[in-house]
Amino acid sequence: ILNVEQSPQSLHVQEGDSTNFTCSFPSSNFYALHWYRWETAKSPEALFVMTLNGDEKKKGRISATLNTKEGYSYLYIKGSQPEDSATYLCAGHGQNFVFGPGTRLSVLP
Amino acid sequence: DADVTQTPRNRITKTGKRIMLECSQTKGHDRMYWYRQDPGLGLRLIYYSFDVKDINKGEISDGYSVSRQAQAKFSLSLESAIPNQTALYFCATSDLRGYEQYFGPGTRLTVT
Repeated sequence: ILNVEQSPQSLHVQEGDSTNFTCSFPSSNFYALHWYRWETAKSPEALFVMTLNGDEKKKGRISATLNTKEGYSYLYIKGSQPEDSATYLCAGHGQNFVFGPGTRLSVLP
Repeated sequence: DADVTQTPRNRITKTGKRIMLECSQTKGHDRMYWYRQDPGLGLRLIYYSFDVKDINKGEISDGYSVSRQAQAKFSLSLESAIPNQTALYFCATSDLRGYEQYFGPGTRLTVT
């Protein structure tokens, strides 16, 4: 089983703070890296799909980078808001999707 | 209406009982997946199907079986439920490229 790791496991920030978290993966086994946002009592929703080394994606205040050579991706949130509170999942995409355990973000007002 | 639906949404059953979880999708996708989620762990793949005639085991298929009745329907069965199958179960679909997965609302299963 190919492990996808995420850190930190959980994170508490104040409203307005910027934050980031990490996904690490065995890069030789995947051809894409996905980020999902998962709110409590809802379904995971796709944020980004990244396929190329050095790829960067941005959606509003959230952005992500990918380094396939080193096997990591960062997700950044600028100016965190309480509605950003969720679990952020990354998944390596090869034959199938292999999910990391997630980073649970809590943004305190 | 939701693109991916799951029934039931919640279920409590007893050890040894057979139970089926159903998933339907209106996205027209060929690929469908069943995952389970346990606290502190990521989504783990149980079974996946790339089309109606293609069924494959995932990471944790023991104790589970599936049926792809049609392109739009993919069911997960627990032949004889046990307590460590208590979890949140998600169905998902993706297109042929598999670039993005769309998840159902989840089924919370409790085996007592």
